[in-house]
Parts: sequence; structure tokens; C-alpha cells
Amino acid sequence: GDSVTQMEGPVTLSEEAFLTINCTYTATGYPSLFWYVQYPGEGLQLLLKATKADDKGSNKGFEATYRKETTSFHLEKGSVQVSDSAVYFCALRLNTGNQFYFGTGTSLTVIP
Amino acid sequence: GAVVSQHPSRVICKSGTSVKIECRSLDFQATTMFWYRQFPKQSLMLMATSNEGSKATYEQGVEKDKFLINHASLTLSTLTVTSAHPEDSSFYICSARVDGNYGYTFGSGTRLTVV
Repeated sequence: GDSVTQMEGPVTLSEEAFLTINCTYTATGYPSLFWYVQYPGEGLQLLLKATKADDKGSNKGFEATYRKETTSFHLEKGSVQVSDSAVYFCALRLNTGNQFYFGTGTSLTVIP
Repeated sequence: GAVVSQHPSRVICKSGTSVKIECRSLDFQATTMFWYRQFPKQSLMLMATSNEGSKATYEQGVEKDKFLINHASLTLSTLTVTSAHPEDSSFYICSARVDGNYGYTFGSGTRLTVV
């Protein structure tokens, strides 16, 4: 079935460190891939997305590239800030439906 | 942008009681809403899809008589956990599809603890 496997946390980094959160997926169809972020007390917010192979999503310094050959969509940021502390969810949605398939979420804490 | 307001954010209830979780679309009409839950160390999983004015569609393994979903208006969907038990303790989050290019928007989630 369709699923997302996401790197487990929690992750603690110093400010300005490089961030990678791994995400791989299994899909029966042609999915769109997403990264959502949840800041404390808030809802899941779309961080970035990619709708087809080799697309790169980017936002707020975060990037992820849709790699069909490795079925991956790893999230990266070159220099994290304290304000990036949040829980990050990788997800897929088949283009034929409404349902999202989420990873378990990765908690990131950035310390000054 | 499209916002979904979810309440309460946290609730603790006694075993055997019922708990209602509300999700309201604040600045748009939500024809379709989705309810997810997340058990510790597991993924967010879709429980059910609710359409305004009709019965909800439940995913396999979700008890429809235990998790009552009401979507009586275009701006409000509720999830009631009836006769809650400790194993229902989980994180529940709603989502709504937004027409146009806004995609899907999510509530802030409800942490339910049944003691």
C-alpha cells in the first residue's frame, strides 16, 4: 500500500547547522509529495511540495527534491535558525484522491 | 488564507465519557473535511472523510459507532469519541479541502488523554 517512512527524531541542532530529514515513500500510483511543518500550538502548515519526478520544492530556505529512482523526498536546509524548531511531517497524496499518507513526524529543536 | 480552527487543543476525560472535538473553517466553506489520528510513534492516519449534509465515510478498522462525525454545515465538522477508553488516547487533527489553489488546510490538533 501507500506509505511514507520518515527519519525518527527528535533532532537537536545548533543554530546555523545543516539539516537533513530523510523521507522515503511507497506509492501505487503517481503521488505528489509534501513537507508540512507544525509549530507549537498551531496547525500543520504546508512548507513545500513537488508534484512530479525531479521537481524541487523550496520555501523559507528549505528544499526537497522528488527522486523517483530512490523514492525519496529528503528535506534540507543549509543553516537552521531557532525559529525553525517545530515538528516536520513528510506526506504523499495520490493525484487521484484526497487522502494524505503521512510519516511519523520529526521533532526538530534548534538551540542558540 | 484558509484557516481551520480546532478545539479543544487538549482534553483529559474519564474512561466511559464522551468527548467532542470541533473543527471550524473560518473564512471559507468546507464541503469536505478529513479526520486523522496519530498514536505515539506512529503516522497520522486517516480515520474518516465527512461531507456536508451526508454520512461520513470511515476507513477500514475505524468504528463508526464509536467515532461519530457530524458535518451539518459548510463551516463546522465535529468528531465525538463516545464511551472513551484509554486506548483512544491519541492526537486527532482535522483537515479541509479548499477550492482553488489553496489545497488542503489543517487544524491545530487535539491531544486526547483518557484516564
